[in-house]
Amino acid sequence: NAGVTQTPKFQVLKTGQSMTLQCAQDMNHEYMSWYRQDPGMGLRLIHYSVGAGITDQGEVPNGYNVSRSTTEDFPLRLLSAAPSQTSVYFCASSYREIRGHTLNTGELFFGEGSRLTVL
Amino acid sequence: TQLLEQSPQFLSIQEGENLTVYCNSSSVFSSLQWYRQEPGEGPVLLVTVVTGGEVKKLKRLTFQFGDARKDSSLHITAAQPGDTGLYLCAGVEPSGSARQLTFGSGTQLTVLP
Repeated sequence: NAGVTQTPKFQVLKTGQSMTLQCAQDMNHEYMSWYRQDPGMGLRLIHYSVGAGITDQGEVPNGYNVSRSTTEDFPLRLLSAAPSQTSVYFCASSYREIRGHTLNTGELFFGEGSRLTVL
Repeated sequence: TQLLEQSPQFLSIQEGENLTVYCNSSSVFSSLQWYRQEPGEGPVLLVTVVTGGEVKKLKRLTFQFGDARKDSSLHITAAQPGDTGLYLCAGVEPSGSARQLTFGSGTQLTVLP
């Protein structure tokens, strides 16, 4: 079972270069998101999407773009890489469920991560 | 964004010892999730607690959600080396906003044989 697939697993960039981190899920999840993980800071939300054609900013969106043309794919683009973007990036997807009167995010399924180094 | 304080940040114990990890906030969450992450992998869900005061057990792991749904704890009994990993709590905001999940900074647990 593939689940959430991220590529590449490792990438080294020079300052100013651009690149795209790919994310695909085969679970027909509506919700997809990108996080970055830095030591001592847990997971911080970059961008998220609640369905094809819909994206929104998370906690740390600057320097990143996303698009959601299909349910399955949610690529993350770094427009002009900076050393501050050195991090481990995780893509995650989830179903959404109604609990009480609200639509809630269920269990997050994560990819294996992409380690990015910007020199 | 609601904040989640997780403590301790690091914990190194001997096999067989008990430990507790805490996840605290001044804000109310509709539910709280606990994840474990091993090196080179993404986090994996352990449990979701939904009701204030709820206690869930997963073998030697006991999870509790505070009565006011602002805090949670994870207690491990007789820790084993296989419990080593990064434990993350994540609170789901009650607002219905799709941003919803707020992660704590994590507890790195090392269980020595």
